[in-house]
Order: sequence, then structure tokens, then C-alpha cells
Amino acid sequence: GNSVTQMEGPVTLSEEAFLTINCTYTATGYPSLFWYVQYPGEGLQLLLKATKADDKGSNKGFEATYRKETTSFHLEKGSVQVSDSAVYFCALSGVRGSTLGRLYFGRGTQLTVWP
Amino acid sequence: EAGVTQFPSHSVIEKGQTVTLRCDPISGHDNLYWYRRVMGKEIKFLLHFVKESKQDESGMPNNRFLAERTGGTYSTLKVQPAELEDSGVYFCASSQGTGWSGELFFGEGSRLTVL
Repeated sequence: GNSVTQMEGPVTLSEEAFLTINCTYTATGYPSLFWYVQYPGEGLQLLLKATKADDKGSNKGFEATYRKETTSFHLEKGSVQVSDSAVYFCALSGVRGSTLGRLYFGRGTQLTVWP
Repeated sequence: EAGVTQFPSHSVIEKGQTVTLRCDPISGHDNLYWYRRVMGKEIKFLLHFVKESKQDESGMPNNRFLAERTGGTYSTLKVQPAELEDSGVYFCASSQGTGWSGELFFGEGSRLTVL
């Protein structure tokens, strides 16, 4: 089946620390991969995406590379800020037989950044 | 431009009662989705509307759940009768009708607690 596994949280870091949140997937066909973020009191919003193998998505200092050989899409940021505190969700879509816009999410990783 | 809005933000009901959740998508978005996150689990797809038609309802847990989108604008999700395992956060999302970029626009969610 189609599924996403991401590292368990919570993750607590000091400001300016390096961040990695691991994400691996299982999918039929050739999915697109996403990272969504939910800030406190807000809805989920797209952080970055990659649509094919070896693509790198980037936004707001965050990056993730679509690795087909390891079925991974790890999220990284070189220097986190307090304002990055949020829940991060890895997701995939576009698998064979799925309706347009149907996303398969991981469980989410809570990130807290301390000053 | 207003984002996706959901109402109520939090509902507490007793087992056996009925609850109706409402979602107003972004104006002009033909696609409307319902997702659910049960505590500690991944966000799961429930169903997808294109305008007023149900495109995919394969994620609906059982026949206690009824979704409607009369006139292709706002949508409601009714749970009747509610059970304890229905507790969770119900997210609504929308996207434009054509040329989907891979981005869904989410509301803040409606938290349902069934006692």
C-alpha cells in the first residue's frame, strides 16, 4: 500500500541548530512528495515539494531531496529559528489509482526551537 | 482573499449524539477534501468533492458519516451517531479545478471530542 513514515517527535532544538526530520515512503507508481507545516493556530500549509527523483524542493531555508533509491525525502534546515516551531508533515500524492489531490501523510513531527 | 474556514473549531458531544462540521473553501476552488487526524496518528483522507459531486469517498470510515456539498460551495460533514473513536481533528482543504500544482489549502481544523 501507500504510506509515509516520519521520525517520531517531539524534536527540541536550540536556535541556530541544524535540523533533520527523516521521512521514508512506500508507494505504487511515481509519487510526488511534499512537506506541509502547521504553525500554532493555523491550518496546514505547503512548505516544499518535489515531483520526480533527484528533484530538490526548497523554501524558507528548508530543503528536501527526492531520493528514489532510498525512498526518502528528509527535511533539513541549516539554522533553525524560534519561528520554525511547528508540526511538520511529510506526504505523498499521485500514486496509481488515487484521486487527484489525495495525500498520504505521515504522523507529523512536533518541532520546538528554544532561544 | 479569505482562506479555508471551518466551523466549529471545537465540539464536545456525548456518544450517540450528532455533530455537523462545516467547511467554506476558498472562493472559486472546485476541489474540496475532508481529512481526519486521530490523536497521534497520521492525517487520513476521507473524501473528495469536485464541485457538488463526490469524486472519491473511499476513505469514509462507515455509513455514520455523511458529507454534502450542495451547490458546489460550502460542505458539511455529519457524524450520526457519534462514537468514541470518531474523536479527532477534521481538516478541510481545497484546490483549484484545473492545473493542480500539488498544493492543497487547509483550514485550521475542527476538533471533535466524543465522550
